[in-house]
Amino acid sequence: AQTVTQSQPEMSVQEAETVTLSCTYDTSENNYYLFWYKQPPSRQMILVIRQEAYKQQNATENRFSVNFQKAAKSFSLKISDSQLGDTAMYFCAFMSPLYNQGGKLIFGQGTELSVKP
Amino acid sequence: NAGVTQTPKFRVLKTGQSMTLLCAQDMNHEYMYWYRQDPGMGLRLIHYSVGEGTTAKGEVPDGYNVSRLKKQNFLLGLESAAPSQTSVYFCASQGLAELYEQYFGPGTRLTVT
Repeated sequence: AQTVTQSQPEMSVQEAETVTLSCTYDTSENNYYLFWYKQPPSRQMILVIRQEAYKQQNATENRFSVNFQKAAKSFSLKISDSQLGDTAMYFCAFMSPLYNQGGKLIFGQGTELSVKP
Repeated sequence: NAGVTQTPKFRVLKTGQSMTLLCAQDMNHEYMYWYRQDPGMGLRLIHYSVGEGTTAKGEVPDGYNVSRLKKQNFLLGLESAAPSQTSVYFCASQGLAELYEQYFGPGTRLTVT
């Protein structure tokens, strides 16, 4: 069974600085997808960034980028130029392809990020 | 286009009562999911459906039942609520054409006293 571990329950960063959130996972599969979701106090789950395991290039979305280390089974999220609106809970998640196990998401425990002015 | 909606948004139940949570999506998605979120934990999958008329168990299915009689709706039932089912419940949907992105509803906060 797949597992996802986020070892940082809480983190804080000054506005405009850079912060990295860590995530490790365990799987025996070769093809899968990894995600970072943001959950602000509104409770809405917002997709931040996605990485396909077969792609060697790290995904980037504006100020958000990942460091995907497939052999080490590591998937960290870097937030550059942190903004007050980035304050939220961040979840790392793993998904097998839809044809295998129905596309179920497996989440880590979450990292609560506070951006301080 | 409302996306994924959940009804109700909040509910308080007494132990032993029953209720049904409704999830509706207007994106013609094939796949639908029910997750629960507890403090200090990520979302955990309760049940899911890969198409109309089909359901399957997830990670924490005990105490819940589901039905998907129509493609756009996915119902989660609690037959006899227990305090351990106090949680926030999220529904999500995903289409075959999506690049593995699940769309989440706003959540339902359920308290069982």
